[in-house]
Amino acid sequence: NAGVTQTPKFQVLKTGQSMTLQCAQDMNHEYMSWYRQDPGMGLRLIHYSVGAGITDQGEVPNGYNVSRSTTEDFPLRLLSAAPSQTSVYFCASSQPPGEAFFGQGTRLTVV
Amino acid sequence: AQSVAQPEDQVNVAEGNPLTVKCTYSVSGNPYLFWYVQYPNRGLQFLLKYITGDNLVKGSYGFEAEFNKSQTSFHLKKPSALVSDSALYFCAVRAVTGGGNKLTFGTGTQLKVEL
Repeated sequence: NAGVTQTPKFQVLKTGQSMTLQCAQDMNHEYMSWYRQDPGMGLRLIHYSVGAGITDQGEVPNGYNVSRSTTEDFPLRLLSAAPSQTSVYFCASSQPPGEAFFGQGTRLTVV
Repeated sequence: AQSVAQPEDQVNVAEGNPLTVKCTYSVSGNPYLFWYVQYPNRGLQFLLKYITGDNLVKGSYGFEAEFNKSQTSFHLKKPSALVSDSALYFCAVRAVTGGGNKLTFGTGTQLKVEL
């Protein structure tokens, strides 16, 4: 099993550019989520989805969009990148109440 | 709103000594509780979870955690630390009911095990 696959692993963007971070899981999990990790702040929830066609905002949703057209995929879109979005992004999937499985992360730098 | 507190940014312990990484939580109703470990430049790896049942939960790599409902705590422990245990540890909580199944993390505790 591949588990949770995130692409790309690294990305450098210029301010104002847009991009999509890809996330796919092969465990048929209903719940998927995106987090950002910043030093001293732990993991903060950006957006989450409880199933195909259903998404909701987390703790820090501004500047990000998501969609969930299939059970497997949960892409995260940055519409107009800002330096404050420089971070490490993690996608996770789970079947509540079980544990979440995490991707390897995307290290994003916005210059 | 649910939350997790990890009061220590860093814990230092000598190899062979017992270690404790502290976690307290706040959630409406009963909690599901988790511990994860993160090695440098890696994703998060699951260590153990409390869903129901025994308050003492055993997990991977010799780690265990004790659920204390009255103190709303879920401290991570290991009887004898190894240098290879040095990593960043995260506690997380999910509400049994309500909360939209959201998984909320603490800010993390850096564990440093020295010879």
